[in-house]
Amino acid sequence: EDQVTQSPEALRLQEGESSSLNCSYTVSGLRGLFWYRQDPGKGPEFLFTLYSAGEEKEKERLKATLTKKESFLHITAPKPEDSATYLCAVQATGNQFYFGTGTSLTVIP
Amino acid sequence: SAVISQKPSRDICQRGTSLTIQCQVDSQVTMMFWYRQQPGQSLTLIATANQGSEATYESGFVIDKFPISRPNLTFSTLTVSNMSPEDSSIYLCSVGKGVTDTQYFGPGTRLTVL
Repeated sequence: EDQVTQSPEALRLQEGESSSLNCSYTVSGLRGLFWYRQDPGKGPEFLFTLYSAGEEKEKERLKATLTKKESFLHITAPKPEDSATYLCAVQATGNQFYFGTGTSLTVIP
Repeated sequence: SAVISQKPSRDICQRGTSLTIQCQVDSQVTMMFWYRQQPGQSLTLIATANQGSEATYESGFVIDKFPISRPNLTFSTLTVSNMSPEDSSIYLCSVGKGVTDTQYFGPGTRLTVL
């Protein structure tokens, strides 16, 4: 069964305390893996697309990596404004999208 | 990328009534999608709206309950019909753009049914 699992469900970090969010997936053929940021009451905001194992992408304090079974979103020296829910989605070769349930990140000043 | 707007941003409705949500995109797109996001849960795809053809519904969603229109390449509507409290949710439209079909989302419509 195709599915996407994110962990942890919630994460509290002190400002400046680096950490990683995990997205593990099982799909019948991967076309792409997507990371989104979602603030309360808003739609998901696109962050990254990764296509193949070994690929990495960076944006400010965020770095996304991909293996054949999972992706990590590394947050370096986070700030309170990084607090949000981070969603992972996978597009299978049949073009279906599967979304994880997200990791709620809180960064404490 | 794409700039997407939705109307209304939120609404409170009575049981048994219907609400139509509008989605406008700043550029022409082939595929538009409608999702539902219930509190604390992930996104669930309701249907895919293609211009010039019937929408394609996912398992558990039917046209009589969620009729969709797609009159042109920049606009779509989703109607939530005969609403019940279980329909209270955030409804999101998205578009696929680029070679990779990256999905870009609108700001969402927060619906509360009393």
